[in-house]
Amino acid sequence: EPEVTQTPSHQVTQMGQEVILRCVPISNHLYFYWYRQILGQKVEFLVSFYNNEISEKSEIFDDQFSVERPDGSNFTLKIRSTKLEDSAMYFCASSELAGVLGIQYFGAGTRLSVL
Amino acid sequence: GENVEQHPSTLSVQEGDSAVIKCTYSDSASNYFPWYKQELGKRPQLIIDIRSNVGEKKDQRIAVTLNKTAKHFSLHITETQPEDSAVYFCAASRGDDKIIFGKGTRLHILP
Repeated sequence: EPEVTQTPSHQVTQMGQEVILRCVPISNHLYFYWYRQILGQKVEFLVSFYNNEISEKSEIFDDQFSVERPDGSNFTLKIRSTKLEDSAMYFCASSELAGVLGIQYFGAGTRLSVL
Repeated sequence: GENVEQHPSTLSVQEGDSAVIKCTYSDSASNYFPWYKQELGKRPQLIIDIRSNVGEKKDQRIAVTLNKTAKHFSLHITETQPEDSAVYFCAASRGDDKIIFGKGTRLHILP
């Protein structure tokens, strides 16, 4: 069964450093998402992406965050200058269709630890 | 914006008994309600979903009910088995790309 894959599984970084979290969505999917989950809290929507553009973003997704689809397979989340409060599990998801018709399939996540 | 509340945060059930997890949502425009199961160290996986034009949906041992008037929806697992132990997340969506999750319920199936 096709899966969304994320690398690395765990990323440790110093505060103020840039990090790039990588995702390979399911190959025929056109809609891509990033979510995050701070330890012990709920999964929170960050951003959705379609046709090389951001479709929607949350208040969390400020100027420090950016997303990119650099090639035909990867979908990345960049945090320019990490803060302690960026420590969380980051999940990538993809769907074939949008909205209620599009089941979102999640990757296993990248645990980001900012020291 | 949408807010999804989920209860209980932890649930222990004897193997073979039923488990019920309840969620409420705030945005009356929400019309899609998926449930995800996350086993330890693994990805969230969709186990069942319901759309606002139906009140109940069943898939083998799992059922979900939706009460749009009260803005409640629930997950029911019957004849629980050890492999049902996991964290379960309810979620709601207005039909756009954004899914709003509950905080999760850690379900323990006791032998």
